[in-house]
Amino acid sequence: QVQLVQSGGGVVQPGRSLRLSCAASGFTFSTYGMHWVRQAPGKGLEWVAFTSYDGSNKYYADSLKGRFTISRDNSKNTLYLQMNSLRAEDTAVYYCAKDQEPYDILSHYFANWGQGTLVTVSS
Amino acid sequence: DIQMTQSPSSLSASVGDRITITCRASQSISYLNWYQQKPGKAPKLLIYAASSLQSGVPSRFSGGGSGTDFTLTITSLQPEDFATYYCQQSYTTPFTFGPGTKLDIK
Repeated sequence: QVQLVQSGGGVVQPGRSLRLSCAASGFTFSTYGMHWVRQAPGKGLEWVAFTSYDGSNKYYADSLKGRFTISRDNSKNTLYLQMNSLRAEDTAVYYCAKDQEPYDILSHYFANWGQGTLVTVSS
Repeated sequence: DIQMTQSPSSLSASVGDRITITCRASQSISYLNWYQQKPGKAPKLLIYAASSLQSGVPSRFSGGGSGTDFTLTITSLQPEDFATYYCQQSYTTPFTFGPGTKLDIK
């Protein structure tokens, strides 16, 4: 079955960097687009970033202003989110999620999610 | 960017009730999805492409609408349905979520 296992969260000081990982199994990772979604404490869901199945196309939420980078290593079945210049407002639970269908540019809805990892930005 | 709104923001209902949540997009979209989230858990996909029921989701959940206006209806509420519900447009990036509707027990 599909599994998305996240790692890399924790407490980080403002202005520092952190990298999140999402290890995938149970499906052909290299054929699916992948996303990051976050949720600040007590708040709603916010879509963060998308990478196409081959990493050739990447899109981001406007609010990130170039601070975050999504990437993937299809040889390791792993998705990453590099977060730089972190701010207090980046404090959230971060989820990875997969597209519903392979290669499908229209299936950006998420039946499979990682367990979530908490990132706390605080001095 | 496409902005998503939901109404109501919160709703109190009883077991057995029928409820409807509305989601509105700031421009016409073709792909609208609904999720249920319980505290401390990842969201669960209920409905995709406005009206398609995700596998394994009970048939008391249904979605409808087109263009800019969409609905999620739950008939005969069950105790496990009390949660927060989000719509999400997957028509174009950024793939925005609505602010959520919290459904609690009356």
